[in-house]
Amino acid sequence: SQQGEEDPQALSIQEGENATMNCSYKTSINNLQWYRQNSGRGLVHLILIRSNEREKHSGRLRVTLDTSKKSSSLLITASRAADTASYFCATDEGFQKLVFGTGTRLLVSP
Amino acid sequence: DGGITQSPKYLFRKEGQNVTLSCEQNLNHDAMYWYRQDPGQGLRLIYYSQIVNDFQKGDIAEGYSVSREKKESFPLTVTSAQKNPTAFYLCASAPGFDYGYTFGSGTRLTVV
Repeated sequence: SQQGEEDPQALSIQEGENATMNCSYKTSINNLQWYRQNSGRGLVHLILIRSNEREKHSGRLRVTLDTSKKSSSLLITASRAADTASYFCATDEGFQKLVFGTGTRLLVSP
Repeated sequence: DGGITQSPKYLFRKEGQNVTLSCEQNLNHDAMYWYRQDPGQGLRLIYYSQIVNDFQKGDIAEGYSVSREKKESFPLTVTSAQKNPTAFYLCASAPGFDYGYTFGSGTRLTVV
């Protein structure tokens, strides 16, 4: 089952610009998580937002959650070339396991 | 340093062979997971385990098997029944429900 779906599939920006990625999901959730994956590597956990939270910050990252619309967004401010990676949202499904979306490929050019 | 280790990094399998991918963690996490990632795709869950000696099938368990005899170890066997095993395999662990996952660096399996 594929719970989350990211949009856009690919995003290309210049260093210093902000990057926004969106995630939509289908069923009710307890939490939603965002991960980063550099090419050919494992995923790195970025942030977890619970269903009773609307916004969360971590450094240059800002995540919002709208449970009424079943959607979330990840904002990366002042992007750097090192932010180039794929970004995945993941939602818990039926407890105890995460279901991942198909990801957004972000390219940040110097 | 605590972490999760997958080995080998690259693995080549001949037709009809079973191969086992190793996943070890020293984070004292109860839960462990195996995901498969195909090129340009998201992750699909193969198997997961919440506790030693117990595991559940994920969405694509056919052709795979696992064991959880120790808390720190969750090996995945790709059997000959898996007809399209070429993929990137990722192991993850978590302290429990409602936590982020820690991922290993992955094993890239290729059928030759």
